[in-house]
Amino acid sequence: ETGVTQTPRHLVMGMTNKKSLKCEQHLGHNAMYWYKQSAKKPLELMFVYSLEERVENNSVPSRFSPECPNSSHLFLHLHTLQPEDSALYLCASSQVLAGPQETQYFGPGTRLLVL
Amino acid sequence: KQEVTQIPAALSVPEGENLVLNCSFTDSAIYNLQWFRQDPGKGLTSLLLIQSSQREQTSGRLNASLDKSSGRSTLYIAASQPGDSATYLCAVASHAGKSTFGDGTTLTVKP
Repeated sequence: ETGVTQTPRHLVMGMTNKKSLKCEQHLGHNAMYWYKQSAKKPLELMFVYSLEERVENNSVPSRFSPECPNSSHLFLHLHTLQPEDSALYLCASSQVLAGPQETQYFGPGTRLLVL
Repeated sequence: KQEVTQIPAALSVPEGENLVLNCSFTDSAIYNLQWFRQDPGKGLTSLLLIQSSQREQTSGRLNASLDKSSGRSTLYIAASQPGDSATYLCAVASHAGKSTFGDGTTLTVKP
């Protein structure tokens, strides 16, 4: 399998549930990103990892907890979410973090609905 | 704080037309500017990336320009096709790893 994959593609959860989103990249990249895309809002950067170290945490509530066990995998652990957290969660990767010529490659996203 | 605006929000054109999508940004100290395409419910596909030192990039029927001094970029699509129908997003990288996205322009190309 190539590119950036995300599982699950769709997720429905209650506000008291705990779930995790998974992202895997098969591109040999060293930087990975989580984005949130809500209806009628621009894409929002949530977290950035470079070489498994978190380098950006964009004022995201603690009910979202990222984990990067290695350069190929990125998780987003979810707990006690709110209905307004319903959105498309996109994962992306790039070769390295630095450099003006770095292109980000995106996964297909996980469509999350919080009831 | 970088702000990115895309105009128009939506555009509908007949097949074969040439069209221009606009992106403006408030802080000219950028790393690069990237244009993406997003199909409904899907992830983003990179179309063109313009480095801070460049003025334009071309790929097939697409041409993107960058004018840092005025805080503007345009995406020109030549001879539009129904398959070009999608949302086009502009993303401005202010430093390594941090991009600010516009709201996007939703393009519909009618056969």
